[in-house]
Amino acid sequence: ETGVTQTPRHLVMGMTNKKSLKCEQHLGHNAMYWYKQSAKKPLELMFVYNFKEQTENNSVPSRFSPECPNSSHLFLHLHTLQPEDSALYLCASSQDTGRPGFYEQYFGPGTRLTVT
Amino acid sequence: AQTVTQSQPEMSVQEAETVTLSCTYDTSESDYYLFWYKQPPSRQMILVIRQEAYKQQNATENRFSVNFQKAAKSFSLKISDSQLGDAAMYFCAYSSNRDDKIIFGKGTRLHILP
Repeated sequence: ETGVTQTPRHLVMGMTNKKSLKCEQHLGHNAMYWYKQSAKKPLELMFVYNFKEQTENNSVPSRFSPECPNSSHLFLHLHTLQPEDSALYLCASSQDTGRPGFYEQYFGPGTRLTVT
Repeated sequence: AQTVTQSQPEMSVQEAETVTLSCTYDTSESDYYLFWYKQPPSRQMILVIRQEAYKQQNATENRFSVNFQKAAKSFSLKISDSQLGDAAMYFCAYSSNRDDKIIFGKGTRLHILP
């Protein structure tokens, strides 16, 4: 595997379910990100991790719970989601945080989440 | 607050022709970067080109070039000799050199007509 991978690619879940999204980067980077991409809206940054430490939580509801066990893996745990949480969830990684113009972010293909 | 606006939700261009995608932004910063990202149907967002605000020379990457007008806060993307593989959503984006956030526009869907 190369670059940034995400599993699953598609997920359908009920509002009472608990599921997790997984992201893995094979680039030797230290920073990882979760973004939410909703239809007709700009990409929104959710969480940032640098060296496994969370450095940013962009006012995300607690029903989204990130976990970064090491610099290569990032999870997003989901529970009691709402239909409006249906979106494409993108993971990205970069060598370091700060100055995206200097530290390019590399994106995964995303998980298409549908909440029923 | 910084904002990025893409006024063209969709565009079409004939294969081998040239197309220009528009983007305007708003910021009070002087030190920042601007980007164009491409998101094909595979959904993987790819950086196409970046421009540092301090550089007056417009960035180019093969068939992709930008027209950066700093005073007008305009950052358009020109795609020359359009190819079928250029069909995608294109996002204009901004980041200040003072933090790690990228602010994205809503995107322009580009169709390539054979």
